[in-house]
Amino acid sequence: AQRVTQPEKLLSVFKGAPVELKCNYSYSGSPELFWYVQYSRQRLQLLLRHISRESIKGFTADLNKGETSFHLKKPFAQEEDSAMYYCALGRGGAAGNKLTFGGGTRVLVKP
Amino acid sequence: GAVVSQHPSWVICKSGTSVKIECRSLDFQATTMFWYRQFPKQSLMLMATSNEGSKATYEQGVEKDKFLINHASLTLSTLTVTSAHPEDSSFYICSACDSGTGVYEQYFGPGTRLTVT
Repeated sequence: AQRVTQPEKLLSVFKGAPVELKCNYSYSGSPELFWYVQYSRQRLQLLLRHISRESIKGFTADLNKGETSFHLKKPFAQEEDSAMYYCALGRGGAAGNKLTFGGGTRVLVKP
Repeated sequence: GAVVSQHPSWVICKSGTSVKIECRSLDFQATTMFWYRQFPKQSLMLMATSNEGSKATYEQGVEKDKFLINHASLTLSTLTVTSAHPEDSSFYICSACDSGTGVYEQYFGPGTRLTVT
C-alpha cells in the first residue's frame, strides 16, 4: 500500500532563514510526487510537482528514489510562506490520478 | 484559471437525514472528480473517484451505500451522505481534473463542513 509521511507537524522559522519540509513515501509503482499548499482560509492548491522540475515561489523539491523522499526546500523563507503544506503521492496513471496525502506540515514564518 | 465550487459551504443536519453536496467545475469540463474527507487536524483522505457517465469507484473502507456519488454531467458531481450520523461530521472536499488540458492537474473546491447533530 502507498503511504506518505511528513514527520514534522509544525515548522517555525524566522524570515530569511532556510526552510525544509520533509516528505517520505512508500509505493511499489512509479511515483508521481506533488506538494500542495493551503494558505489561511483558502483552498488547497498545487505548489509543484516532481515531473516539472521547476521552482515555484522560490520552492524546489527533488525526488530521491533511493531514499524515497521528496523534500521541499526554500533558501530564504518569507512571511507569506506561512501556510499548511501537504506532500502527495499520485497513483493511477494520467487518467484519474488518485492522490494519497501526507499528514501535512504547518509552516510559521516569524518576522 | 480553473475554478471548482462546492455547495453548500457548510450544513447542519439532524441524525438520520440525508445531505447532498455539490461540486462544480466552473470554467472547464471534468470527466473525473474526486471526493475527500478531512477530519480536524488531520490530512485529506480520498473517499472515491467520480467518473462522468459511469459508476464511482470507492476506496477501501468507504461505504458506497452510505456515500452516494453521482456524476451526471461534465461539470457536476454530487455526494449524498445518506442517513447521516454524528460520526459523519467532517470536512468534505472535492477536486476536479481538467480533461481538456491533458495535464490532469487536480483543482480543489473550498470544502463543505458537515455537522450532524
